[in-house]
Amino acid sequence: NAGVMQNPRHLVRRRGQEARLRCSPMKGHSHVYWYRQLPEEGLKFMVYLQKENIIDESGMPKERFSAEFPKEGPSILRIQQVVRGDSAAYFCASSPGNNEKLFFGSGTQLSVL
Amino acid sequence: AQSVTQLDSHVSVSEGTPVLLRCNYSSSYSPSLFWYVQHPNKGLQLLLKYTSAATLVKGINGFEAEFKKSETSFHLTKPSAHMSDAAEYFCVVSPEPSGSARQLTFGSGTQLTVLP
Repeated sequence: NAGVMQNPRHLVRRRGQEARLRCSPMKGHSHVYWYRQLPEEGLKFMVYLQKENIIDESGMPKERFSAEFPKEGPSILRIQQVVRGDSAAYFCASSPGNNEKLFFGSGTQLSVL
Repeated sequence: AQSVTQLDSHVSVSEGTPVLLRCNYSSSYSPSLFWYVQHPNKGLQLLLKYTSAATLVKGINGFEAEFKKSETSFHLTKPSAHMSDAAEYFCVVSPEPSGSARQLTFGSGTQLTVLP
C-alpha cells in the first residue's frame, strides 16, 4: 500500500503564474488535509476535504487559493497569481476517517521567483 | 488558544550518545501531545502520542517522551542515538484527545544531526 503521494516534489514559479499541487491519499482514505509550512514556522492547517466536498477551509487564504478533491483522481491545491510570500512547503495528509491517525506525504516545496 | 515551542532548531549528537529534543507547550485545555519525525524525502511519521494516560510515553525506534504538566514540557529523549535517527522532529499539540487534524498546532521543528 503506497503512502500519501505528493507531486511535484519541488515546484518553481515566477510571480503571477499558477501553481498546482497534487496529493494522492493512501488507498481507502477519503479524508484529505492540506498544511503549509512557512520558513522557520510550524505546519499550519489550511483545508480539510472529503471526496467532492470541502469540509473546512478556515485556514486557507480567501483569495487566490482553492482546493478540490474530485470523485476520481488526486486532491489539488491551486494557487493563482503566486507571490513571493507563497514560497513554502505544502504538506498533504490523509486519514480513513475524521479524527483518525494521519498519514503525511513528503510535501511539495514551492519557490516563487 | 494553544501554542508549542521547540527550543532548539538544530541539535547535533554523536552516535551512541543520548538525544534530548525540547518542547514546551501552552494550552487552555488538557492537551494531547505528539512527536512526529520527518526523514529526508519522506512524509511525517508519528513517533508517539500522549493522551492523559501514563505521563511517560514510549514510541517507536526507542524514543520516549515525558509529559510534565508543572513544567508544560514534553521533551523527547532516546538513550543512544543511531545514524538513522538523523531527521527533523516536530512537537505537536492538540486541545482534545481525539487530536482533530484541523486543531493541531505544530512546532517549527528541530533538525537532529547524528555524527559518526
